[in-house]
Amino acid sequence: KQEVTQIPAALSVPEGENLVLNCSFTDSAIYNLQWFRQDPGKGLTSLLLIQSSQREQTSGRLNASLDKSSGRSTLYIAASQPGDSATYLCAVLSSGSRLTFGEGTQLTVNP
Amino acid sequence: NAGVTQTPKFQVLKTGQSMTLQCAQDMNHNSMYWYRQDPGMGLRLIYYSASEGTTDKGEVPNGYNVSRLNKREFSLRLESAAPSQTSVYFCASSEVGRTNYGYTFGSGTRLTVV
Repeated sequence: KQEVTQIPAALSVPEGENLVLNCSFTDSAIYNLQWFRQDPGKGLTSLLLIQSSQREQTSGRLNASLDKSSGRSTLYIAASQPGDSATYLCAVLSSGSRLTFGEGTQLTVNP
Repeated sequence: NAGVTQTPKFQVLKTGQSMTLQCAQDMNHNSMYWYRQDPGMGLRLIYYSASEGTTDKGEVPNGYNVSRLNKREFSLRLESAAPSQTSVYFCASSEVGRTNYGYTFGSGTRLTVV
């Protein structure tokens, strides 16, 4: 059974800092990995999707990497802003087309 | 805007009442999913439908039923609501077999069972 772990569970940083969120998964036989953002009381917004054959994806200040063999992904946020405050969720698509989520990292960026 | 639409957004039920959560997507996706999100538990799959006419149990199906009405619509029914079903419910859709496609989620239904 696929298990996804996100570390840290919560993170508080000053505005402007570069930061890294971590995601690990137990079964390396994945099709893709997706990072989502969730604002309080809202739904999930897809940020980046990395296919199993890819090493990284970039969108603006966000960069996600994937090391499938070691079961790890990182989400790098450059020059963080208060508007980046949200919960970030990592999810992997494994066999049977099942998407398995981590519990998320709650990020607070302080002005 | 294209996406996944869920109704209602909020609902309060008494224990034992029934209700149906509605979900519709306009992206012509084959697969649709129902998740629940609880503090400390993350998102857990309740039921999914890989294609029109098929449904399968996920991780936490007990107390729920689903109907894939057509390619666009996938409903979740609580026949006899229990306080343990207080949660936020999310519907999602995706295109099976297209690993370059991600999942698209609706905005959620906040359900409280008293």
